[in-house]
Amino acid sequence: SQQGEEDPQALSIQEGENATMNCSYKTSINNLQWYRQNSGRGLVHLILIRSNEREKHSGRLRVTLDTSKKSSSLLITASRAADTASYFCATERGNQGGKLIFGQGTELSVKP
Amino acid sequence: GAVVSQHPSRVICKSGTSVKIECRSLDFQATTMFWYRQFPKQSLMLMATSNEGSKATYEQGVEKDKFLINHASLTLSTLTVTSAHPEDSSFYICSARVGRQGAKNIQYFGAGTRLSVL
Repeated sequence: SQQGEEDPQALSIQEGENATMNCSYKTSINNLQWYRQNSGRGLVHLILIRSNEREKHSGRLRVTLDTSKKSSSLLITASRAADTASYFCATERGNQGGKLIFGQGTELSVKP
Repeated sequence: GAVVSQHPSRVICKSGTSVKIECRSLDFQATTMFWYRQFPKQSLMLMATSNEGSKATYEQGVEKDKFLINHASLTLSTLTVTSAHPEDSSFYICSARVGRQGAKNIQYFGAGTRLSVL
């Protein structure tokens, strides 16, 4: 079953603005990952944050993790039209053979 | 980065026929591959975990006789939808894991297969 909940479900912003997406989960995790999916395509890995990390950066991406609240956020700064896609968080728990459980996703639309 | 090739990208078939989808890791060996199903504007639902040389592990509610998985080599896993029906129409995506659990458990995804059963 899916354990991740994401909000907002959909987000529409103008180019240059920042986009923030949130993810909540229910059980303890080893790590949390964010993926991006362009319409009708596979997923692309963006960033992985371990359970003992609180913040991680990669280019224009910033991810935070609050294990006490069981939540994470993905911030995309200075968004571009090419950032338009669906973004999913995924959690990996221990002793699950590396399975990832995906959240419901946020559909981001960046208008030029 | 690691590349996963999934084929075909799109298939249309008649009800009752079987459809095979291939998932290949092109530049790395994948001991574990995963198969997902995705409905429009929804998340990915894990169907099964495919382990090279052993039987696949299916998620609860997924019929193993309906969705046959074979992982005969370190670079190829196949999903066969047997006796497909219109309700099996969906987007099927595979992924392959490079590392083991933990920090290196990044999954690389195929481009997906859109199955339409008439």
